[in-house]
Amino acid sequence: AQSVTQLGSHVSVSEGALVLLRCNYSSSVPPYLFWYVQYPNQGLQLLLKYTSAATLVKGINGFEAEFKKSETSFHLTKPSAHMSDAAEYFCAVSREEKGGSEKLVFGKGTKLTVNP
Amino acid sequence: NAGVTQTPKFRILKIGQSMTLQCAQDMNHNYMYWYRQDPGMGLKLIYYSVGAGITDKGEVPNGYNVSRSTTEDFPLRLELAAPSQTSVYFCASSYMEYNSPLHFGNGTRLTVT
Repeated sequence: AQSVTQLGSHVSVSEGALVLLRCNYSSSVPPYLFWYVQYPNQGLQLLLKYTSAATLVKGINGFEAEFKKSETSFHLTKPSAHMSDAAEYFCAVSREEKGGSEKLVFGKGTKLTVNP
Repeated sequence: NAGVTQTPKFRILKIGQSMTLQCAQDMNHNYMYWYRQDPGMGLKLIYYSVGAGITDKGEVPNGYNVSRSTTEDFPLRLELAAPSQTSVYFCASSYMEYNSPLHFGNGTRLTVT
């Protein structure tokens, strides 16, 4: 079964600095990969998804992620952090299998703090 | 569109009590899910449904039950509440299963004491 590892449960950056949130997955077949964001007291919202069309995926709010098969990674980046980016970010993976299905598997999340 | 609506937002239960968490979606999605979120643990799938009348267990189903009599509604039932069920519960729906994004409700924060 696939799994997702998010390196760093907490990341702190200064406003205007680069945001880099790390995600590594394990899957023996090409996966579908997602990044979700959760603001305080809200449900998760989709930031972006990778479905094999392009390795660099652009999402909402200036975020993007690059699929690197050789590194089994799908790291999330944003060139310049804004105070409103403070939230918890979840990487998730799913894939289609013959004769059955795999449900979406979430990483444990990375809480992003943006300092003024 | 309201999307996915969960009620109640907060609830405190005593050990052994029962309750139903309500979830409704107005997007005509066939797939619906219940997750629980515990600090530092991500989201764990409790139950899911691929359509009206069809439900199946997820990763952590013990102590919960679900039903899916209509496309719109997917209630989660706790029969004998235990402190281990203190968590934030999220309902979600999607158009397809494998590569469709999930649409989440705003959650129900449940405390069992």
